[in-house]
Amino acid sequence: GESVGLHLPTLSVQEGDNSIINCAYSNSASDYFIWYKQESGKGPQFIIDIRSNMDKRQGQRVTVLLNKTVKHLSLQIAATQPGDSAVYFCAENSPKNYGQNFVFGPGTRLSVLP
Amino acid sequence: NAGVTQTPKFQVLKTGQSMTLQCAQDMNHNSMYWYRQDPGMGLRLIYYSASEGTTDKGEVPNGYNVSRLNKREFSLRLESAAPSQTSVYFCASRIGQESNQPQHFGDGTRLSIL
Repeated sequence: GESVGLHLPTLSVQEGDNSIINCAYSNSASDYFIWYKQESGKGPQFIIDIRSNMDKRQGQRVTVLLNKTVKHLSLQIAATQPGDSAVYFCAENSPKNYGQNFVFGPGTRLSVLP
Repeated sequence: NAGVTQTPKFQVLKTGQSMTLQCAQDMNHNSMYWYRQDPGMGLRLIYYSASEGTTDKGEVPNGYNVSRLNKREFSLRLESAAPSQTSVYFCASRIGQESNQPQHFGDGTRLSIL
């Protein structure tokens, strides 16, 4: 596979357990946030998003929590499966970033143990 | 539905050579983007096109040029490749620049400059 993610933090979880991946964002004016999943050799894949007027949003097996007070975002994956192994990163839509573009975190590698 | 298609998938160049990376989307999106992804770092914006007929610099534009050929296609050109441009390049699109909608990514071009 490609070398992306060589120096990323890694979270290892047992299959069937819940995973929590955290992200600190930089701009208090950011109003929209996304979690992406990136498998080796693939492009980022949209998982779930949340707007700044919400604290929590749930999808299928995934939940995103937003804490604007401390500028923190988390992704919870329920009943983690081997297919969840990937790099996960957050993105914030920052009004002041190059015409209101996204700022991307470096990511966390999730490793699911059998 | 192909989404965002990038060509080529892999390329090796010698220092000083030029090449164009191609990107096309079939989702009728107005905005398109070029990023580079390097180990341990978040995606960095090279150039973007908020709408057909416009292009703007992102965070790391030096050494690159872009062309928004039509609504579907957005190409990235390296005029004189340098080893520092060895990276994985991703093209993305979304409905509009100011929309709270996610970007959709292609699967990348892995570029090595010798």
